[in-house]
Amino acid sequence: EIVLTQSPGTLSLPPGERATLSCRASQRVSASFLAWYQQRPGQAPRLLIYDASTRATDTPDRFSGSGSGTDFTLIISRLEPEDFAVYYCQQYDISPWTFGQGTKVEIK
Amino acid sequence: VQLVESGGDLVQPGGSLRLSCAVSGFTFSSYWMTWVRLAPGKGLELVANIDQYGGTKRYGDSLKGRFTVSRDNAEDSVYLQMDSLRAEDTAVYYCVRGGSWLDYWGQGTLVTVSP
Repeated sequence: EIVLTQSPGTLSLPPGERATLSCRASQRVSASFLAWYQQRPGQAPRLLIYDASTRATDTPDRFSGSGSGTDFTLIISRLEPEDFAVYYCQQYDISPWTFGQGTKVEIK
Repeated sequence: VQLVESGGDLVQPGGSLRLSCAVSGFTFSSYWMTWVRLAPGKGLELVANIDQYGGTKRYGDSLKGRFTVSRDNAEDSVYLQMDSLRAEDTAVYYCVRGGSWLDYWGQGTLVTVSP
């Protein structure tokens, strides 16, 4: 199975700053079949980005995804209070679909 | 779009449980459906997914044949039969629309495996 490694494990930033989250795959993810999710405490995950760079419905444009092959990035251009959460990447190229272990974005 | 899971409970190791997910707000028979779990202190894990017709089913590697996914398109519902449960199966189980990216999630149902 494809192993996804997210870094950093925790990102401490003040509101208004730019956040850069990384997701590295153990093998090439074809056609950029990669998604990003946000999970706030006590809530279900929410789809943010699919196909590596396409925003889901209702995803604010401060969220952007990029990358291909084995290296993918989620950028939050200016952190809003509601953005402090855990973020997961997921590949849907090779079964079984797998998730990264998550990056927690916390308020500094 | 709504997905409502039910069936989570406290169960002893070695026991069985059946989770249900009732959906509304979309044409259920047109979509793959997926179960994902979140164990305490861990990340998200694919449990199983099933195609629109129930003919193709895929499972996470760690489940080793203990779980079975099914669906009833007449009832707009998807199910997860869990057998030979272990302590490490303790998690919140989410029902999710989609078989690639996962765009609508239920609120989850808690399964606790403990003596």
